[in-house]
Amino acid sequence: EPEVTQTPSHQVTQMGQEVILRCVPISNHLYFYWYRQILGQKVEFLVSFYNNEISEKSEIFDDQFSVERPDGSNFTLKIRSTKLEDSAMYFCASSILAGAGEQFFGPGTRLTVL
Amino acid sequence: AQSVTQPDIHITVSEGASLELRCNYSYGATPYLFWYVQSPGQGLQLLLKYFSGDTLVQGIKGFEAEFKRSQSSFNLRKPSVHWSDAAEYFCAVVKITGTASKLTFGTGTRLQVTL
Repeated sequence: EPEVTQTPSHQVTQMGQEVILRCVPISNHLYFYWYRQILGQKVEFLVSFYNNEISEKSEIFDDQFSVERPDGSNFTLKIRSTKLEDSAMYFCASSILAGAGEQFFGPGTRLTVL
Repeated sequence: AQSVTQPDIHITVSEGASLELRCNYSYGATPYLFWYVQSPGQGLQLLLKYFSGDTLVQGIKGFEAEFKRSQSSFNLRKPSVHWSDAAEYFCAVVKITGTASKLTFGTGTRLQVTL
């Protein structure tokens, strides 16, 4: 069964460093998303991406964040200069449809900023 | 703005007992509602969803949920819980804007199953 994959599973970085979180969405999906979950808190929407551009982004997704689909398979989230408060589990998701189409989630990347 | 409330942070049930997890939503139009489950170290797996039609929806793993518009609720139920159901459960509502859609999640309910 096709699934969303994410690498790495755990990333440790120093404050101020750049990190890139990688995702491989399901191959025939067209809509891509990033969510994050700070420990003990709810899962929060960061950004949605379609047709090589951002469809919607949350207030969390400021200038420090960017997303890219560099080729036909990968979808990346870059944090330019990490802060302590960026420590969280980051989930990638994809869907074949927009709207109420089911979003399939990856296992997440745990980012720890020291 | 849409929101989801899960009033129970933690629930413990005995294996074989019935389960009901509560979810209340706030949304201006007809909501599209979801229940996801997250096992330790795993991503979010969709259990079931409600779009329209029959207000009682069936999902995977023997779960069902009932949409009650008058109560703004979408509670998840299972008649007999198995130890493998221990996990965190999230209720969510989707907001659709053109080609964009985003899920708004509740804070989750952690289910513990005792043998």
